[in-house]
Amino acid sequence: NAGVTQTPKFQVLKTGQSMTLQCAQDMNHEYMSWYRQDPGMGLRLIHYSVGAGITDQGEVPNGYNVSRSTTEDFPLRLLSAAPSQTSVYFCASSYRGLSDNEQFFGPGTRLTVL
Amino acid sequence: ILNVEQSPQSLHVQEGDSTNFTCSFPSSNFYALHWYRWETAKSPEALFVMTLNGDEKKKGRISATLNTKEGYSYLYIKGSQPEDSATYLCASKTGANNLFFGTGTRLTVIP
Repeated sequence: NAGVTQTPKFQVLKTGQSMTLQCAQDMNHEYMSWYRQDPGMGLRLIHYSVGAGITDQGEVPNGYNVSRSTTEDFPLRLLSAAPSQTSVYFCASSYRGLSDNEQFFGPGTRLTVL
Repeated sequence: ILNVEQSPQSLHVQEGDSTNFTCSFPSSNFYALHWYRWETAKSPEALFVMTLNGDEKKKGRISATLNTKEGYSYLYIKGSQPEDSATYLCASKTGANNLFFGTGTRLTVIP
């Protein structure tokens, strides 16, 4: 199993550009999520999905879109990048919900918006 | 938004010492408490998921306890080793499928 994979590992964008961060898992997990990590702050949930076709907002959803057309993939789209979106982004997956199941994290994507 | 706090922020211990840190979370509408270990330049890795008041879990030299009535969890490391150096994160889940993370305790074990 590759686990949770993310691409790209690094990305530099200009303000106003759009891009998609890719996330995939091969563990047949129902739950997938996106977090951002900023200095001095805990991981903050952006969006999550409890299954294909179902997505919901987390703590900091503004400026980001997600979709879940398959169980395996959960891409995160930045619609119009802003310097405030400079961060490290982690995708994570879990077998089902978070009451009983640990999350598995991807390697992260470091995004810089100029 | 859930206020999850961890203390201390950072900790230096000598190799062989035992240590512990605290995670505090709101006790109302509690569903689960997660602990993760995060080494530099890697991704967070799960240690424990705890749900029941009084629960105690153990993995090797690391153990955790949970008090849901008063809203805290302790993580213990017995006989710290340099490879235990990492940031330890806790996160609390409420009714929705959201997980709210603390800012972590950074542990450095000095050989």
